[in-house]
Amino acid sequence: EPEVTQTPSHQVTQMGQEVILRCVPISNHLYFYWYRQILGQKVEFLVSFYNNEISEKSEIFDDQFSVERPDGSNFTLKIRSTKLEDSAMYFCASRPRGRDKNIQYFGAGTRLSVL
Amino acid sequence: GESVGLHLPTLSVQEGDNSIINCAYSNSASDYFIWYKQESGKGPQFIIDIRSNMDKRQGQRVTVLLNKTVKHLSLQIAATQPGDSAVYFCAEPNAGGTSYGKLTFGQGTILTVHP
Repeated sequence: EPEVTQTPSHQVTQMGQEVILRCVPISNHLYFYWYRQILGQKVEFLVSFYNNEISEKSEIFDDQFSVERPDGSNFTLKIRSTKLEDSAMYFCASRPRGRDKNIQYFGAGTRLSVL
Repeated sequence: GESVGLHLPTLSVQEGDNSIINCAYSNSASDYFIWYKQESGKGPQFIIDIRSNMDKRQGQRVTVLLNKTVKHLSLQIAATQPGDSAVYFCAEPNAGGTSYGKLTFGQGTILTVHP
């Protein structure tokens, strides 16, 4: 069964450093998303990406964040200068075309630890 | 504003019992809801969805009930098994009138099934 894959599973970084979280969405999907989940809290939307551009972003997704789909398969989230409060699980999700159904398929996540 | 939330943060049941997980929403215009299951160390997984033109939808061992009058939905799991132990989230796509499928998650209920 096709699945969304994320790498690395755990990323440890120093405050102020740049990190890139990587995702390979399901191959025929057209909508891509990043969410984050701070330990013990609910999953929060960060950004959606469609047709090679950001379609929507949350207040969390400030100038320190960027997303890119550099080729036909990868979808990345970059945090330019990490802060302690960026420590969280980051989930990538994708879904196929069609607005009737919005079943998003999630990766296993990347745990980001900012020290 | 948009709000999808849960009544109870934890639920502990014995194997074989039926489980009921509740979720409240605030926007009477909300028309589509999804339940996700998140096992430890994994991303959310789709369980079942329901549109507002339905009151009830059944899947394999799961049933979702929607009461639009009181803006409440519930997930019922029949004959709960230890493998059902997870965090369960209700989620609403496109809450707040967006159109690219962003999911707004509720707080989550931790379901623990004792053998």
